[in-house]
Amino acid sequence: KNEVEQSPQNLTAQEGEFITINCSYSVGISALHWLQQHPGGGIVSLFMLSSGKKKHGRLIATINIQEKHSSLHITASHPRDSAVYICAVRGIETSGSRLTFGEGTQLTVNP
Amino acid sequence: ETGVTQTPRHLVMGMTNKKSLKCEQHLGHNAMYWYKQSAKKPLELMFVYSLEERVENNSVPSRFSPECPNSSHLFLHLHTLQPEDSALYLCASSHTIKGSYGYTFGSGTRLTVV
Repeated sequence: KNEVEQSPQNLTAQEGEFITINCSYSVGISALHWLQQHPGGGIVSLFMLSSGKKKHGRLIATINIQEKHSSLHITASHPRDSAVYICAVRGIETSGSRLTFGEGTQLTVNP
Repeated sequence: ETGVTQTPRHLVMGMTNKKSLKCEQHLGHNAMYWYKQSAKKPLELMFVYSLEERVENNSVPSRFSPECPNSSHLFLHLHTLQPEDSALYLCASSHTIKGSYGYTFGSGTRLTVV
């Protein structure tokens, strides 16, 4: 079992829909990252969280440290949001060099 | 462009070839990383460099040989690879090895071994 589990694995939505992607982890962490990977392969960092909630444009990320759970929300989704969204955690016991990644959620937003 | 540049973007090589992947950043970051992403699998850390010294080698076969000549450049030298080494190879960097300010990733090199 992976230390970082994401759900769903695949998600198809219609343009304008509200989207939620979930991430659960089983280790103590110092930070959680949400990343976006486009079909070409490049990865963009969306959020780094250690508590609470962050918002950037139409994207909102929340984390509940006690429940070891984070969510990424996309409001008013658009076809350009189609990508793989990856959750990654940095553990508190590590030297800081190791991120543990989820398998990613493939999001497709149809016009 | 994220600030981390990888070349080439695509590479096809035979099992007897020798090739190198290049990663370059001018963000002033002191830590650089190589990751491997195989189909339908999470990213796997391969190597970590901090201030040009290798600080982590994640049980990677010796057919992969990293080199960090300075804090802005990172190479991955490839020789006698196997078809199962076909994957997306991603480079990343961070201010320090603690990653407290986050990570910046490159666009990756899509490697196919034939």
